[in-house]
Amino acid sequence: QQQVKQSPQSLIVQKGGISIINCAYENTAFDYFPWYQQFPGKGPALLIAIRPDVSEKKEGRFTISFNKSAKQFSLHIMDSQPGDSATYFCAAIKYTNDMRFGAGTRLTVKP
Amino acid sequence: NAGVTQTPKFRILKIGQSMTLQCTQDMNHNYMYWYRQDPGMGLKLIYYSVGAGITDKGEVPNGYNVSRSTTEDFPLRLELAAPSQTSVYFCASSPQTGMNTEAFFGQGTRLTVV
Repeated sequence: QQQVKQSPQSLIVQKGGISIINCAYENTAFDYFPWYQQFPGKGPALLIAIRPDVSEKKEGRFTISFNKSAKQFSLHIMDSQPGDSATYFCAAIKYTNDMRFGAGTRLTVKP
Repeated sequence: NAGVTQTPKFRILKIGQSMTLQCTQDMNHNYMYWYRQDPGMGLKLIYYSVGAGITDKGEVPNGYNVSRSTTEDFPLRLELAAPSQTSVYFCASSPQTGMNTEAFFGQGTRLTVV
Protein backbone atom coordinates (compact mmCIF):
# COMPACT_ATOMS: atom_id res chain seq x y z
CA GLN A 1 0.00 0.00 0.00
CA GLN A 2 1.63 3.19 -1.21
CA GLN A 3 1.29 5.89 1.40
CA VAL A 4 2.25 8.67 -1.00
CA LYS A 5 0.71 8.70 -4.47
CA GLN A 6 2.36 10.77 -7.19
CA SER A 7 1.24 11.75 -10.68
CA PRO A 8 1.92 11.91 -13.53
CA GLN A 9 4.49 9.18 -14.07
CA SER A 10 6.07 11.16 -16.89
CA LEU A 11 5.75 14.73 -18.13
CA ILE A 12 6.98 16.51 -21.24
CA VAL A 13 7.03 20.30 -21.22
CA GLN A 14 8.33 22.87 -23.66
CA LYS A 15 11.10 25.20 -22.56
CA GLY A 16 9.58 28.17 -20.74
CA GLY A 17 6.44 26.28 -19.80
CA ILE A 18 5.09 25.33 -16.37
CA SER A 19 5.64 21.81 -15.02
CA ILE A 20 3.16 20.58 -12.42
CA ILE A 21 3.54 17.40 -10.41
CA ASN A 22 0.96 16.27 -7.88
CA CYS A 23 1.09 14.16 -4.76
CA ALA A 24 -1.46 12.88 -2.27
CA TYR A 25 -0.89 11.25 1.08
CA GLU A 26 -3.06 9.17 3.36
CA ASN A 27 -1.52 9.24 6.82
CA THR A 28 -2.17 12.41 8.80
CA ALA A 29 0.88 11.59 10.97
CA PHE A 30 3.13 12.97 8.22
CA ASP A 31 4.43 16.38 9.23
CA TYR A 32 6.97 17.40 6.61
CA PHE A 33 6.76 17.24 2.83
CA PRO A 34 9.96 17.52 0.77
CA TRP A 35 10.56 17.21 -2.94
CA TYR A 36 13.68 15.51 -4.23
CA GLN A 37 15.31 15.82 -7.65
CA GLN A 38 17.29 12.97 -9.17
CA PHE A 39 19.53 13.09 -12.22
CA PRO A 40 20.49 9.85 -14.02
CA GLY A 41 23.14 7.85 -12.18
CA LYS A 42 22.88 10.00 -9.06
CA GLY A 43 21.11 9.78 -5.74
CA PRO A 44 18.13 12.05 -5.05
CA ALA A 45 18.87 15.50 -3.64
CA LEU A 46 16.57 17.81 -1.69
CA LEU A 47 14.97 20.48 -3.88
CA ILE A 48 12.39 22.20 -1.69
CA ALA A 49 10.19 21.28 1.27
CA ILE A 50 7.11 22.52 3.12
CA ARG A 51 5.57 22.22 6.57
CA PRO A 52 1.85 21.43 6.89
CA ASP A 53 1.08 24.76 8.57
CA VAL A 54 2.06 26.63 5.40
CA SER A 55 -0.03 26.66 2.21
CA GLU A 56 2.70 27.69 -0.22
CA LYS A 57 6.47 27.94 -0.37
CA LYS A 58 8.47 29.44 -3.20
CA GLU A 59 12.19 29.17 -3.94
CA GLY A 60 13.20 30.72 -7.23
CA ARG A 61 11.31 28.98 -10.04
CA PHE A 62 10.09 26.19 -7.74
CA THR A 63 6.86 26.44 -5.72
CA ILE A 64 5.13 23.92 -3.47
CA SER A 65 1.39 24.29 -2.93
CA PHE A 66 -0.03 22.44 0.06
CA ASN A 67 -3.69 21.60 0.82
CA LYS A 68 -3.88 20.05 4.27
CA SER A 69 -7.63 19.34 4.23
CA ALA A 70 -7.35 17.49 0.91
CA LYS A 71 -4.05 15.85 1.93
CA GLN A 72 -2.49 16.95 -1.35
CA PHE A 73 0.56 18.90 -2.36
CA SER A 74 2.10 19.82 -5.67
CA LEU A 75 5.33 21.07 -7.20
CA HIS A 76 5.22 23.83 -9.81
CA ILE A 77 8.29 24.59 -11.91
CA MET A 78 7.92 27.94 -13.63
CA ASP A 79 9.85 28.82 -16.81
CA SER A 80 10.96 25.18 -17.13
CA GLN A 81 14.45 24.70 -18.58
CA PRO A 82 16.14 21.70 -20.24
CA GLY A 83 18.43 21.50 -17.20
CA ASP A 84 15.34 20.75 -15.09
CA SER A 85 14.96 17.42 -16.92
CA ALA A 86 15.19 14.86 -14.14
CA THR A 87 13.06 12.56 -12.03
CA TYR A 88 11.17 14.27 -9.21
CA PHE A 89 10.01 12.53 -6.06
CA CYS A 90 7.62 13.86 -3.49
CA ALA A 91 8.03 12.54 0.03
CA ALA A 92 6.34 12.63 3.40
CA ILE A 93 8.00 12.31 6.78
CA LYS A 94 6.58 11.26 10.09
CA TYR A 95 7.94 12.60 13.39
CA THR A 96 9.48 9.16 13.86
CA ASN A 97 11.68 9.93 10.86
CA ASP A 98 9.98 7.29 8.73
CA MET A 99 10.29 8.88 5.27
CA ARG A 100 8.09 7.62 2.42
CA PHE A 101 8.43 8.55 -1.24
CA GLY A 102 6.07 8.77 -4.18
CA ALA A 103 6.68 6.73 -7.33
CA GLY A 104 8.46 9.55 -9.11
CA THR A 105 7.81 11.72 -12.18
CA ARG A 106 10.21 11.76 -15.07
CA LEU A 107 10.25 15.33 -16.41
CA THR A 108 11.57 16.12 -19.88
CA VAL A 109 11.85 19.76 -20.89
CA LYS A 110 12.18 20.15 -24.65
CA PRO A 111 14.27 23.04 -26.00
CA ASN B 1 33.34 16.25 1.54
CA ALA B 2 32.51 12.54 1.29
CA GLY B 3 28.90 12.64 2.60
CA VAL B 4 27.26 9.23 2.15
CA THR B 5 29.43 6.58 0.52
CA GLN B 6 28.07 3.32 -0.84
CA THR B 7 30.06 0.33 -2.05
CA PRO B 8 30.04 -1.42 -4.41
CA LYS B 9 28.54 0.65 -7.24
CA PHE B 10 27.61 -2.41 -9.28
CA ARG B 11 27.26 -6.10 -8.45
CA ILE B 12 25.93 -9.22 -10.15
CA LEU B 13 24.85 -12.03 -7.83
CA LYS B 14 23.70 -15.54 -8.55
CA ILE B 15 20.44 -16.75 -7.03
CA GLY B 16 21.02 -17.95 -3.48
CA GLN B 17 24.24 -16.04 -2.94
CA SER B 18 24.61 -13.54 -0.14
CA MET B 19 26.24 -10.15 0.02
CA THR B 20 26.50 -7.00 2.09
CA LEU B 21 25.96 -3.54 0.69
CA GLN B 22 28.13 -1.10 2.57
CA CYS B 23 27.07 2.41 3.58
CA THR B 24 29.05 4.90 5.59
CA GLN B 25 28.50 8.59 6.34
CA ASP B 26 30.89 11.14 7.75
CA MET B 27 28.34 13.80 8.80
CA ASN B 28 27.66 12.37 12.27
CA HIS B 29 23.99 11.88 11.39
CA ASN B 30 21.89 9.82 13.76
CA TYR B 31 19.33 8.72 11.19
CA MET B 32 20.12 6.36 8.33
CA TYR B 33 17.95 4.62 5.74
CA TRP B 34 18.06 1.99 3.05
CA TYR B 35 15.81 2.33 0.00
CA ARG B 36 15.39 0.32 -3.14
CA GLN B 37 14.41 1.98 -6.39
CA ASP B 38 12.54 0.08 -9.07
CA PRO B 39 11.33 1.61 -12.35
CA GLY B 40 7.96 3.26 -11.91
CA MET B 41 7.83 2.32 -8.24
CA GLY B 42 9.82 5.13 -6.71
CA LEU B 43 11.84 4.61 -3.56
CA LYS B 44 10.71 1.94 -1.15
CA LEU B 45 11.99 2.06 2.42
CA ILE B 46 13.65 -1.21 3.44
CA TYR B 47 15.03 -0.43 6.90
CA TYR B 48 15.93 2.64 8.88
CA SER B 49 17.88 3.43 12.01
CA VAL B 50 17.51 6.28 14.49
CA GLY B 51 20.89 5.72 16.09
CA ALA B 52 23.58 3.18 16.85
CA GLY B 53 22.06 -0.08 18.04
CA ILE B 54 18.52 0.82 16.92
CA THR B 55 16.95 -0.35 13.67
CA ASP B 56 13.40 -0.69 12.41
CA LYS B 57 11.59 -2.17 9.44
CA GLY B 58 10.30 -0.06 6.60
CA GLU B 59 7.85 -0.97 3.84
CA VAL B 60 9.74 -3.87 2.22
CA PRO B 61 12.09 -5.52 4.76
CA ASN B 62 11.64 -9.16 3.73
CA GLY B 63 14.85 -10.76 2.47
CA TYR B 64 17.09 -8.12 4.06
CA ASN B 65 18.84 -7.53 7.35
CA VAL B 66 20.63 -4.52 8.78
CA SER B 67 22.82 -3.63 11.72
CA ARG B 68 23.98 -0.33 13.18
CA SER B 69 26.95 -0.86 15.45
CA THR B 70 28.36 2.64 14.89
CA THR B 71 26.93 6.04 13.99
CA GLU B 72 28.85 6.01 10.69
CA ASP B 73 27.99 2.60 9.23
CA PHE B 74 24.71 1.01 8.21
CA PRO B 75 25.29 -2.15 6.15
CA LEU B 76 22.47 -3.97 4.35
CA ARG B 77 22.69 -7.74 4.14
CA LEU B 78 21.03 -9.98 1.54
CA GLU B 79 21.17 -13.58 2.75
CA LEU B 80 19.65 -15.57 -0.13
CA ALA B 81 19.56 -13.41 -3.21
CA ALA B 82 16.46 -13.71 -5.40
CA PRO B 83 15.72 -12.17 -8.84
CA SER B 84 13.08 -9.96 -7.16
CA GLN B 85 15.93 -8.20 -5.36
CA THR B 86 17.34 -6.88 -8.63
CA SER B 87 17.17 -3.14 -8.05
CA VAL B 88 19.12 0.02 -7.36
CA TYR B 89 19.78 0.45 -3.66
CA PHE B 90 20.24 3.82 -2.02
CA CYS B 91 21.51 4.57 1.43
CA ALA B 92 20.67 7.92 3.01
CA SER B 93 21.29 9.77 6.24
CA SER B 94 19.75 12.76 7.99
CA PRO B 95 20.72 14.77 11.06
CA GLN B 96 17.29 14.95 12.65
CA THR B 97 13.72 13.86 12.46
CA GLY B 98 10.45 15.35 11.34
CA MET B 99 10.31 18.93 10.17
CA ASN B 100 13.23 20.47 8.32
CA THR B 101 14.76 17.07 7.75
CA GLU B 102 17.03 16.84 4.74
CA ALA B 103 18.16 13.38 3.72
CA PHE B 104 21.51 13.00 2.00
CA PHE B 105 21.76 10.11 -0.43
CA GLY B 106 24.64 8.02 -1.65
CA GLN B 107 25.26 7.35 -5.34
CA GLY B 108 23.50 4.00 -5.25
CA THR B 109 24.38 0.34 -5.78
CA ARG B 110 22.99 -1.36 -8.87
CA LEU B 111 22.39 -5.01 -8.03
CA THR B 112 21.43 -7.69 -10.54
CA VAL B 113 20.46 -11.19 -9.38
CA VAL B 114 20.64 -13.84 -12.10
